[in-house]
Amino acid sequence: AQTVTQSQPEMSVQEAETVTLSCTYDTSESDYYLFWYKQPPSRQMILVIRQEAYKQQNATENRFSVNFQKAAKSFSLKISDSQLGDAAMYFCAYRSGENNAGNMLTFGGGTRLMVKP
Amino acid sequence: NAGVMQNPRHLVRRRGQEARLRCSPMKGHSHVYWYRQLPEEGLKFMVYLQKENIIDESGMPKERFSAEFPKEGPSILRIQQVVRGDSAAYFCASSPLPGRRYNSPLHFGNGTRLTVT
Repeated sequence: AQTVTQSQPEMSVQEAETVTLSCTYDTSESDYYLFWYKQPPSRQMILVIRQEAYKQQNATENRFSVNFQKAAKSFSLKISDSQLGDAAMYFCAYRSGENNAGNMLTFGGGTRLMVKP
Repeated sequence: NAGVMQNPRHLVRRRGQEARLRCSPMKGHSHVYWYRQLPEEGLKFMVYLQKENIIDESGMPKERFSAEFPKEGPSILRIQQVVRGDSAAYFCASSPLPGRRYNSPLHFGNGTRLTVT
């Protein structure tokens, strides 16, 4: 079974600065997808960024980028130019690339990001 | 295009009562997933359904919990004889038919927060 670990329960960043959230995972599969979701106090789950394991290039979405290290099974999220609206819980998630896996996600325990004005 | 709709948003039940949580997937989506989020934790997979079919219920407790996704109408997660430990946020997510290189993420509803008193 796959596991996803987020070792930082809480992180804090100054507005306009850069912060990196860590995520490691354990799997024996070679084909999979990785995601970062943001959950603000409204409880809505918002997809921030996704990475296909077969792609070597790190995904980027505006101020959000990942550092995907497949051999190390590491998938960190970098938020540049942090904004107050970035304050939320962030969850790393894994999805198998196997045909019969459906679209089921395995989530990490989350990191609470606080942004200081 | 309406997103995934869950209702109710909040549900309060006394111990021993039944809880019914509803989820209407996005239009065109035939696959539904239910997740549970305990306070300060990540989301945990419960069950994966297609119309009239349970595909994977490996994350669902064997007793008191059941789920269905009928041909017509929303998916229902039913919890019988609720206990305090069932208090959590329950999320539904939907997707179209997944494939090997399927690249579309899950779409989540805003969750139902169940409180058992």
